Amino acid sequence: DTEVTQTPKHLVMGMTNKKSLKCEQHMGHRAMYWYKQKAKKPPELMFVYSYEKLSINESVPSRFSPECPNSSLLNLHLHALQPEDSALYLCASSHPRGGGGETQYFGPGTRLLVL
Amino acid sequence: QQQVKQSPQSLIVQKGGIPIINCAYENTAFDYFPWYQQFPGKGPALLIAIRPDVSEKKEGRFTISFNKSAKQFSLHIMDSQPGDSATYFCAAAALSGNTPLVFGKGTRLSVIA
Repeated sequence: DTEVTQTPKHLVMGMTNKKSLKCEQHMGHRAMYWYKQKAKKPPELMFVYSYEKLSINESVPSRFSPECPNSSLLNLHLHALQPEDSALYLCASSHPRGGGGETQYFGPGTRLLVL
Repeated sequence: QQQVKQSPQSLIVQKGGIPIINCAYENTAFDYFPWYQQFPGKGPALLIAIRPDVSEKKEGRFTISFNKSAKQFSLHIMDSQPGDSATYFCAAAALSGNTPLVFGKGTRLSVIA
């Protein structure tokens, strides 16, 4: 099973709402990632968790709050977003570096629209 | 130094043609070069990847050519099909330095029948 699942598929939220994106994988990967992708652009790294600890935060605004409750789950909590945060949010997972598997497996993404 | 430059931005080929997408990098610490394929509304999927110890890798109709001295690598798609129409991203990482993947800006490929 090489699948990364993400819910919801689509999300519309107002600027005062609080919502969460969820990501799950059962490949035994211990590195998980959040990316943001705007139309016609490459994925832009937001956060990396390695062994359930935040290892990289690419200077993401605090209105995005990641959480890794266990080795299979990754959440992204959203609060007070701006319209420019509308994008496709991608989750990915991989073995941590040095574990022999560098491939990042991406989920299908959550398409977020902030009104 | 962290950039990966990808060209062309878009490409249209006839069915059966061989589209070629090129990428160049500066960081000599990069030692892992994957290509991702992304269809509209989907997440990127790994297509093929190469390490600097080989100059070419082939998987099915997809071939990566790697030129370490020129710091360039390219994707060739043999006998292209309309189903290959997608956006292709090259990427690079320094696995030993545990740096994140750096993506190129993408190439939108259209294969017309």
